[in-house]
Amino acid sequence: DAGVIQSPRHEVTEMGQEVTLRCKPISGHNSLFWYRQTMMRGLELLIYFNNNVPIDDSGMPEDRFSAKMPNASFSTLKIQPSEPRDSAVYFCASSLGGGGYTFGSGTRLTVV
Amino acid sequence: GEDVEQSLFLSVREGDSSVINCTYTDSSSTYLYWYKQEPGAGLQLLTYIFSNMDMKQDQRLTVLLNKKDKHLSLRIADTQTGDSAIYFCAESIRGNTGKLIFGQGTTLQVKP
Repeated sequence: DAGVIQSPRHEVTEMGQEVTLRCKPISGHNSLFWYRQTMMRGLELLIYFNNNVPIDDSGMPEDRFSAKMPNASFSTLKIQPSEPRDSAVYFCASSLGGGGYTFGSGTRLTVV
Repeated sequence: GEDVEQSLFLSVREGDSSVINCTYTDSSSTYLYWYKQEPGAGLQLLTYIFSNMDMKQDQRLTVLLNKKDKHLSLRIADTQTGDSAIYFCAESIRGNTGKLIFGQGTTLQVKP
């Protein structure tokens, strides 16, 4: 397996633009997690899905953020409109049941 | 509430042992994990321990669990410059579909 695949690896966008981050979990994993990492706040859980259903989105900062998981092999995290304070590294991770996570390599987002 | 605490920084000399400490709050955690993050990369699962164990050894890594004090430690023997990274402790959450709570990470600096 190629692991958790995230795209793009880097994204630079202007304030106000829509940004879509993508994630392909490991085949057979039934839980998917979106995290954001910054120097100031560390690693924050934004939202997670179990069997494609959102279970807890309490970490989503505000309505500008949305996430979907239309099927077991794909998820998106969308920010619309983006703001400079959204600049961070966004990680996707997947797991099977209660096992440890496998993380993707992350998307480094810069909003100017 | 759920919380995982770690010291932020540790500096050691190459060849010495490193001990990274972590405290957690959920006494019903089933598994506790250690992850490693190298610069520009995602988090990589290093090792884990089941809550009914006191110790687990895996080559240069030793995990100690004191369930009474809710204290977890990771010992790296013969620390190498390649061990320089951020180390995250994480606990599983009771009754949850695989959600982990992460500490803020300990930056390990290994000096030659």
